[in-house]
Amino acid sequence: DGGITQSPKYLFRKEGQNVTLSCEQNLNHDAMYWYRQDPGQGLRLIYYSQIVNDFQKGDIAEGYSVSREKKESFPLTVTSAQKNPTAFYLCASSIGPPGNTEAFFGQGTRLTVV
Amino acid sequence: SQQGEEDPQALSIQEGENATMNCSYKTSINNLQWYRQNSGRGLVHLILIRSNEREKHSGRLRVTLDTSKKSSSLLITASRAADTASYFCATDVGGGADGLTFGKGTHLIIQP
Repeated sequence: DGGITQSPKYLFRKEGQNVTLSCEQNLNHDAMYWYRQDPGQGLRLIYYSQIVNDFQKGDIAEGYSVSREKKESFPLTVTSAQKNPTAFYLCASSIGPPGNTEAFFGQGTRLTVV
Repeated sequence: SQQGEEDPQALSIQEGENATMNCSYKTSINNLQWYRQNSGRGLVHLILIRSNEREKHSGRLRVTLDTSKKSSSLLITASRAADTASYFCATDVGGGADGLTFGKGTHLIIQP
């Protein structure tokens, strides 16, 4: 059963803590992406990776970090430097550049600062 | 930066009617895609239209692209309650290698 899996579905963070969101895909896709979605808004790109061991900053990378040690995995760490982390986070993958091919999305992680 | 802007922001119609959503963008593109998002869920790809195409169909969906006006429209015919969702257009700014750029979406409600 191929797809892209995000975990956990809900995550609560205390102020000053780092948290890591998991994203795993078994679609054999080279490209993976992290987006942030705020209520009533579109998606904004945080980080993207076109290949293992390589990644680039998106529009809103400040306060976030990623790694791409394996093709299947692209975890996102929300650091304490991110001042407003409460949001819905979506991971996506595509076989090639997403402009040319469809992107497959996970079901999202809703992060709340408490 | 917001590349695509959908219009209207919200749309409520009766089941069985057709729903039309529009998307305008600012810079030249190679491709434009439409996605659907059910509340609290991930996005699902609906259709991709390339810059050299003017119209594309998929089931009850019809997408048009006018590159001279930098706009696209999504038509859903014979709407169903299950079509209630938010619909986003996405463009490949930077040739696509930088990820898709999404608009803020149109929230569609189908009244039974």
